Amino acid sequence: DTEVTQTPKHLVMGMTNKKSLKCEQHMGHRAMYWYKQKAKKPPELMFVYSYEKLSINESVPSRFSPECPNSSLLNLHLHALQPEDSALYLCASSRRTSGVYNEQFFGPGTRLTVL
Amino acid sequence: AQSVTQLDSHVSVSEGTPVLLRCNYSSSYSPSLFWYVQHPNKGLQLLLKYTSAATLVKGINGFEAEFKKSETSFHLTKPSAHMSDAAEYFCVVSDFNAGGTSYGKLTFGQGTILTVHP
Repeated sequence: DTEVTQTPKHLVMGMTNKKSLKCEQHMGHRAMYWYKQKAKKPPELMFVYSYEKLSINESVPSRFSPECPNSSLLNLHLHALQPEDSALYLCASSRRTSGVYNEQFFGPGTRLTVL
Repeated sequence: AQSVTQLDSHVSVSEGTPVLLRCNYSSSYSPSLFWYVQHPNKGLQLLLKYTSAATLVKGINGFEAEFKKSETSFHLTKPSAHMSDAAEYFCVVSDFNAGGTSYGKLTFGQGTILTVHP
């Protein structure tokens, strides 16, 4: 299994809703990443988990709450989002070899629309 | 610090003609460099990577790139474009050779949209 899966593919939510995005990989990778991508822009890093511990938070607003329950699963909990949070949310994973993080493999993304 | 500059925001070619997407980078360390492709509303797919081995790197779907340290360039080429190559391409540099707690952070170029005409 050499892929990263993300669910749901599409999500529409109101500003008062609570929802979650899910990401899963079974490649044995111990680093997992959340990115946000706006139209016609490159992905922007949000969070990095390494060995199930939050290692990087790129000053993301608290209405985004990441969670890494185990080495294969990464969640992004969403609450009280704003319309400007509408974007493609990408998950990625990478292997760590001898202390070095290798190339990242990306999932297909979740297209989020906040009304 | 590291940065990536993709020299063309749009490239248009005819099917069957060569493709050249240009990328220059800046890195304080020996860089690892990647090209990713993104089709509309899809995730990013790794085309190829350079990690200090051979300077000419072959990737998937007939793409290749050459690492030129003296020119700080990593241009992507393909001899003959196919309609299915139409997509956005990102040149990416990683600092994971820098040691420390980089966690494999990637720095993306702004992207080049490739259009292929019949």
